[in-house]
Order: sequence, then C-alpha cells, then structure tokens
Amino acid sequence: NAGVMQNPRHLVRRRGQEARLRCSPMKGHSHVYWYRQLPEEGLKFMVYLQKENIIDESGMPKERFSAEFPKEGPSILRIQQVVRGDSAAYFCASSNGLAAYEQYFGPGTRLTVT
Amino acid sequence: AQSVAQPEDQVNVAEGNPLTVKCTYSVSGNPYLFWYVQYPNRGLQFLLKYITGDNLVKGSYGFEAEFNKSQTSFHLKKPSALVSDSALYFCAVRDYTGTASKLTFGTGTRLQVTL
Repeated sequence: NAGVMQNPRHLVRRRGQEARLRCSPMKGHSHVYWYRQLPEEGLKFMVYLQKENIIDESGMPKERFSAEFPKEGPSILRIQQVVRGDSAAYFCASSNGLAAYEQYFGPGTRLTVT
Repeated sequence: AQSVAQPEDQVNVAEGNPLTVKCTYSVSGNPYLFWYVQYPNRGLQFLLKYITGDNLVKGSYGFEAEFNKSQTSFHLKKPSALVSDSALYFCAVRDYTGTASKLTFGTGTRLQVTL
C-alpha cells in the first residue's frame, strides 16, 4: 500500500513564475491537507480538501494561492507569481476522514524561488 | 482556537538515558493529541496518539507519552535514548468536533542524543 506521494520533490522557480505541487493521497483516503513549513519553523496549516470540495482554507494566503482536489487525479496546490517568501517545504497529508485518525504525510516538495 | 506549546527548542540527552520532550495544549473541548518525528529533509512520521482511555500511550520505536488533563500536557518519553532518535519532534492537537479537521502543530523540539 503506497504512502502519500508528492511531486516534484524539489522545485525551483524564478520570481513571477507559477508553481504547481501535486499530492496523491494514500489508497482509501479521500481527505487531503496541505501544510507549509518555513525554515526552522513548525508546520502551518493551509487548506483541507475532500474530493471536489474545499472544506477549510483558513490558512491559505488570500492572493496567489489556490488548491483543488478533483474527482480524478491528484490534489494540486498552485502558487501564482511566486515571490522569495514562498520558498518553503510544502507537505501534503491524507486521512480517512475520522477525527480520531492520524494524518499520514508525504515527503514534501521543497520550493525554492530565485 | 486550538494551540500547542513546545517550550524547549532543543533537548540534549546522552545515549542510554531517559528522555522527555514537553508539550502542552489548549483546546475548547476534548483533545486528540499526536506526536510526529521529522528526520532531515523528510516528511513527518507518525509516532503515537491519544484519543481516549489510558493516559499512558505507547507508540513506535519505544516511545510513549503521558496525557495529563489537569496540566493539559502530553509529554513524549523514552526510557533509554538512542543516537538514532536524534531528530525534530512535533506535538499536534485536534479539537474534537466530530470531523477530520486540521492539526495544529507546535514549533518543534530538536532532540540531540550523544554518545
């Protein structure tokens, strides 16, 4: 049973470009969460999605960031017009939807904006 | 709003000695509490969780944690530390709302185990 998959593992973008980060949840999981980790900091929640629905986007910056989890295919975190401050590790986690159930994390995508 | 505090940025311990990594939490209702470990350039690995029941929870790699409701704490412990335990440890909480809502993480504690 494959774990949470994220790609790419490393992504370099120039200021002003777009970044697309992909996440495939564990088999059987339909709940996806995105977190951001700045250097030497903890994880900050960004968005929680179920298939075709955004459940909680309270941690998403108001501009340039968007997320989706289509009926088919991986979840996508999209960052438009990236700036240096977007450089971070972005982690995806998945769960089976039960509150008592832990979230399983992917290896992360390390975004570097030059 | 839910929150977690990890008061120590770093904990140093000699191999073979017991270790404790501290965590306190704040939630409006009953908490679900989790510990994760992160090795360099890796994702988070689940260690253990407290949902209900016995206050002493046992997890992976010999780790355990004690839930203390009166002190709102959930400290991570191990009787005998290994050099390979050196990593970044995160405590997380979820307020029980009946839904699989977000986790709120502490800032992390770096554990350094030396020979």
